[in-house]
Amino acid sequence: SQTIHQWPATLVQPVGSPLSLECTVEGTSNPNLYWYRQAAGRGLQLLFYSVGIGQISSEVPQNLSASRPQDRQFILSSKKLLLSDSGFYLCAWSNRDSRFYEQYFGPGTRLTVT
Amino acid sequence: SQQGEEDPQALSIQEGENATMNCSYKTSINNLQWYRQNSGRGLVHLILIRSNEREKHSGRLRVTLDTSKKSSSLLITASRAADTASYFCAPRGSNYKLTFGKGTLLTVNP
Repeated sequence: SQTIHQWPATLVQPVGSPLSLECTVEGTSNPNLYWYRQAAGRGLQLLFYSVGIGQISSEVPQNLSASRPQDRQFILSSKKLLLSDSGFYLCAWSNRDSRFYEQYFGPGTRLTVT
Repeated sequence: SQQGEEDPQALSIQEGENATMNCSYKTSINNLQWYRQNSGRGLVHLILIRSNEREKHSGRLRVTLDTSKKSSSLLITASRAADTASYFCAPRGSNYKLTFGKGTLLTVNP
């Protein structure tokens, strides 16, 4: 069966510090991968998605970036965090061969920028 | 891409009652998906209804879709305290991206 991991689970970082969040998927190949951010009391905002190694599409201009160095690894980064980067970050995957593209989410990372 | 808008934003019911949540969207879809999010957790896929379907059941869940009104509803029957969560709809158009709204926060009181 497929599983998706995210780490760390929680993170407190000062403004201006760098960020690296990691997401890995097991039990599938060639998944579509997604990064979302959820601010308190709000919906999910799609940040990045990837259909293959090195292929990243950005949905929202921001000081975040994403990379996909391996087929089942997706990394969210920032060189300098802003207060507004605080939120709950969710990684998800979907089966590229599926007709319906249901998404399967990881447990999330709670980021607080102080 | 599509975005669903859930209504109401919050719903509080007693255990054993039914809960109905609604979703509206704006353009044509391939399918519409419902997800649940427990507090502080990731989203869990609940049920998917295709554009050519009008109703679908899964356990205590019943989803309807009216493409002429561009709306869907999720009914949870005989609710339990464990159903307390936020529920999101995600209409999917022609691509593989989903866009989520703010969700409906369902509270089931024991």
